[in-house]
Amino acid sequence: DTGVSQDPRHKITKRGQNVTFRCDPISEHNRLYWYRQTLGQGPEFLTYFQNEAQLEKSRLLSDRFSAERPKGSFSTLEIQRTEQGDSAMYLCASSLERGSSYEQYFGPGTRLTVT
Amino acid sequence: LAKTTQPISMDSYEGQEVNITCSHNNIATNDYITWYQQFPSQGPRFIIQGYKTKVTNEVASLFIPADRKSSTLSLPRVSLSDTAVYYCLVVIYSSASKIIFGSGTRLSIRP
Repeated sequence: DTGVSQDPRHKITKRGQNVTFRCDPISEHNRLYWYRQTLGQGPEFLTYFQNEAQLEKSRLLSDRFSAERPKGSFSTLEIQRTEQGDSAMYLCASSLERGSSYEQYFGPGTRLTVT
Repeated sequence: LAKTTQPISMDSYEGQEVNITCSHNNIATNDYITWYQQFPSQGPRFIIQGYKTKVTNEVASLFIPADRKSSTLSLPRVSLSDTAVYYCLVVIYSSASKIIFGSGTRLSIRP
């Protein structure tokens, strides 16, 4: 399967613990995005990278959240001192700019439950 | 980014054509209209994108009137597997930045 992959698919953690998620984009895609989705809502943008550079961060991304994309390949999203409000599906997407087409490929997501 | 408005939910039956309309009154010159589909417990999937008039692919058609203040996603002969949430988005041309998702339209297809 050459699509976007995310690991783990599910994570249960206790409040106050740190968690880290990984995203592997489609190999030739230079752009990578993180979104968060809660039940019944559309995905909310968190941050995006072009190659290894983090170009935009949402105000939703508090100081407890950090994302990296070393060498412009896979990316990690870390949440420190998790809170119950962090419980959500975390989605990763990648894209390759080409002309007037704009299309992001999403992974299956990591579902985080903070107890 | 232009805000979009679409129905919260729609119901239809297998074999019918389904049209989901989206309004985007403040669309800008460089904006493209894009639709995504999302099944439960999966990430969204790109369906179709257009700028004006009509675009058709193997999955759907997208109709955009001349003023571009609205658009209609048309799904021909739906099946039960088309039950999903459909998001209408306005995306800046050639921009690498975020996609703004609304709450989408929850489409339910019945036998």
